[in-house]
Amino acid sequence: SQQGEEDPQALSIQEGENATMNCSYKTSINNLQWYRQNSGRGLVHLILIRSNEREKHSGRLRVTLDTSKKSSSLLITASRAADTASYFCATDTSYSGAGSYQLTFGKGTKLSVIP
Amino acid sequence: NAGVTQTPKFQVLKTGQSMTLQCAQDMNHEYMSWYRQDPGMGLRLIHYSVGAGITDQGEVPNGYNVSRSTTEDFPLRLLSAAPSQTSVYFCASSYEGIGYEKLFFGSGTQLSVL
Repeated sequence: SQQGEEDPQALSIQEGENATMNCSYKTSINNLQWYRQNSGRGLVHLILIRSNEREKHSGRLRVTLDTSKKSSSLLITASRAADTASYFCATDTSYSGAGSYQLTFGKGTKLSVIP
Repeated sequence: NAGVTQTPKFQVLKTGQSMTLQCAQDMNHEYMSWYRQDPGMGLRLIHYSVGAGITDQGEVPNGYNVSRSTTEDFPLRLLSAAPSQTSVYFCASSYEGIGYEKLFFGSGTQLSVL
């Protein structure tokens, strides 16, 4: 079953605007990660935020984490056409055995940035 | 470094055929995994491995086999292909896989089962 759920499913904005995507999850996590997928390509890691962190920045990306609400948001500032992609949140969930873990992905938000 | 390499990029099978999707990484990563991506379903974990000789099931393991004889390679075998296995398959790896690690993904294999 899906652990993380992104919202909205699709987002269309003009170049230069900010884009905000949200992720909600169900169980306690060790960390939460965001990935980007360009059409027809593999996923690329963007940022990781640990459960004891509340906010993290990387370039034009800002991620927040609210463990009390079991939610995270990804903000892309001053968006560019090249940011057009699908964005996925992934939560670290242990499954079986010590020293192993699984990343469980949501269904993604499809972002379109119009030039 | 090539990173994570998947072959083939495209494959068409008939129902009942078997095949192996190849995955290799040259980053000396201990953790490797296979995901399938279906429209509207996101990525779902099939199998994973935390090191040579160790494998475990993910969320959707039925119909697939894996083995990990070396650190570098993690092949995924479809025993008897079914149309429900039509999907895009991604291999991913990370250094240790014990929390706080990001995944490196291959470029995917698009599989169609007729």
